[in-house]
Amino acid sequence: NAGVTQTPKFRILKIGQSMTLQCTQDMNHNYMYWYRQDPGMGLKLIYYSVGAGITDKGEVPNGYNVSRSTTEDFPLRLELAAPSQTSVYFCASSYSQGDREQFFGPGTRLTVL
Amino acid sequence: KQEVTQIPAALSVPEGENLVLNCSFTDSAIYNLQWFRQDPGKGLTSLLLIQSSQREQTSGRLNASLDKSSGRSTLYIAASQPGDSATYLCAVYLQGGSEKLVFGKGTKLTVNP
Repeated sequence: NAGVTQTPKFRILKIGQSMTLQCTQDMNHNYMYWYRQDPGMGLKLIYYSVGAGITDKGEVPNGYNVSRSTTEDFPLRLELAAPSQTSVYFCASSYSQGDREQFFGPGTRLTVL
Repeated sequence: KQEVTQIPAALSVPEGENLVLNCSFTDSAIYNLQWFRQDPGKGLTSLLLIQSSQREQTSGRLNASLDKSSGRSTLYIAASQPGDSATYLCAVYLQGGSEKLVFGKGTKLTVNP
C-alpha cells in the first residue's frame, strides 16, 4: 500500500491564482482530512469528510473548497490565493471504526507571492 | 473548546538519557490520544495511539501514558539516540461526533551525540 499520497510536493502561486491540491489514499478509509501547518503552530483542520459525498468544515475553512466524489480521493481547492494561505498542507485518513488512528501524507508546501 | 498544550517547546539532551515529553488537554471527553513524530520538512508519523479506556501503550523504547481525569499524557523515550531528534506532536481525537484531532504545537527534541 502507498498509504496517503499528495501532489504536488511544492508549489508557488501568485496572488489571485487558483489551484487544487490532490490527496489519494489506498487504505479504503472512510474518513479523510485536510490540515494546514504554519511555523511554530500546531496543525489546524481545514475540512474533513466522513465518506464519499459528505464534507464538513473544520476550524479554518475560509478560502478553501473540497469535494469527495470517491472513497480514495479528497482534493482541496484554493480559489483566489492569498499570502495568508502560504503554509504546509497535510492530508490524512482513518477508518470510521475502531481506534481511528490517522495516517498522514507527506505534505504540500505552498507559497503565495 | 479543547486546547492541547505541550511543554517544553524545545528540549536538548545528551545521547543515552531517558526523557519525558508532556502533553495536557483541557477537556477529558476524548476518544483517543495520538503521539506523532515529525522530521524537518516531512509529514507526520504516528508513534503511539492510546484509546480513552487505556492507560498506556508501548512500542520499543517509547512508552505513552494517559490520565484522562487529569487531562495529561506523557511520552517516555528510553536511552535516547541522535536519530530521535525531531518534533513530537500530541493530538486528541474529540468524542461525540466532532470527528477531528486537536493538535498541540509540539516539542522539538534534540539529542546530542
